[in-house]
Amino acid sequence: KQEVTQIPAALSVPEGENLVLNCSFTDSAIYNLQWFRQDPGKGLTSLLLIQSSQREQTSGRLNASLDKSSGRSTLYIAASQPGDSATYLCAVNEETSGSRLTFGEGTQLTVNP
Amino acid sequence: ETGVTQTPRHLVMGMTNKKSLKCEQHLGHNAMYWYKQSAKKPLELMFVYNFKEQTENNSVPSRFSPECPNSSHLFLHLHTLQPEDSALYLCASSRVAGRNNEQFFGPGTRLTVL
Repeated sequence: KQEVTQIPAALSVPEGENLVLNCSFTDSAIYNLQWFRQDPGKGLTSLLLIQSSQREQTSGRLNASLDKSSGRSTLYIAASQPGDSATYLCAVNEETSGSRLTFGEGTQLTVNP
Repeated sequence: ETGVTQTPRHLVMGMTNKKSLKCEQHLGHNAMYWYKQSAKKPLELMFVYNFKEQTENNSVPSRFSPECPNSSHLFLHLHTLQPEDSALYLCASSRVAGRNNEQFFGPGTRLTVL
């Protein structure tokens, strides 16, 4: 059974710092991996989707990498801002699971002004 | 806004009540999903509908009853719930069901069962 783990569970940084969020998964037979952002009491906003054949994706100040063989992904946020404060979730779509996304518990990020 | 709306945004109900959650997507998608997000637990997929047909039921108790009258609307009918069913219920849609179809999420309904 696929398990997704995110470390750290919570992170507090001063504004302007570059930071890395980690995601690991136990079964490397994935089709893609997706990073989401969730603001308190709100739904999920998709940030980046990496196909299993890709190594990284970039969008603005965000860069996500994927090492499928080792079961790891990182989300790099450059020059963090207070508006980046949210919970960041990663989810994997397994090769055999069709639509099913398996989520981690998330990293709660606070960026202090 | 993602193009997926959910109503109500907040719901408080007793264990003997019957209520329904509504989801509507304006993206022209054909697949819709219900997820449950409980405190301190990862999101869990509950149901998947593809072209109005249910394709996945993740061993959800029968006190949760989904309905998909068309590709744009999805309901979750609730009856005789338990306090442990209190959670954020999220709806999502994608072009079709299946892998590699990006899912777009609504804002969720925060449900409290007393």
